[in-house]
Amino acid sequence: GIQVEQSPPDLILQEGANSTLRCNFSDSVNNLQWFHQNPWGQLINLFYIPSGTKQNGRLSATTVATERYSLLYISSSQTTDSGVYFCAAEGGGSYIPTFGRGTSLIVHP
Amino acid sequence: DAGVIQSPRHEVTEMGQEVTLRCKPISGHNSLFWYRQTMMRGLELLIYFNNNVPIDDSGMPEDRFSAKMPNASFSTLKIQPSEPRDSAVYFCASSFDPGAGYTFGSGTRLTVV
Repeated sequence: GIQVEQSPPDLILQEGANSTLRCNFSDSVNNLQWFHQNPWGQLINLFYIPSGTKQNGRLSATTVATERYSLLYISSSQTTDSGVYFCAAEGGGSYIPTFGRGTSLIVHP
Repeated sequence: DAGVIQSPRHEVTEMGQEVTLRCKPISGHNSLFWYRQTMMRGLELLIYFNNNVPIDDSGMPEDRFSAKMPNASFSTLKIQPSEPRDSAVYFCASSFDPGAGYTFGSGTRLTVV
């Protein structure tokens, strides 16, 4: 099946800083999703982005399927952005998304 | 839309007892997924239903685990007998089709003592 790797595993920011989270995948993908798991454990779907670029407020995501990676940009980070960010890629002959191990983000005030 | 609804939110049970977790997917979604999350393994897919039919249960750890989806609006995940290593957060998710965006429930935190 498809392998999904996320980097960095951990990230600590000061409020107001920008950051880029990366998701690499080992095969061509049909779909890619980004999720945020908040400190209370809730998993929220941020983007459904098999290719191209999408923006939602301070967050944006870009998937370059031909080069097998996706990026999540967080601008002007806030303490509420803290949590774990997961990407999930569907491809490699499977119709079920495979989740990466996540990037743990802490934003200090 | 109330989203994906899971119950209970927390469950503490003794080893050997039967545990039943419940999930109500979003109306109109025809794909339902059960995931388990632990620190060691991250998010693992246990089973996937499409149109109420189990399509892929290769992630179910062993025979102690079983899942059903008797209709489009309800699914259960049962562990019998439960063991301490089953302690985890169990998530249910639904989507319009297998490859579409997922919506997760709030999860059930299971502790087996």
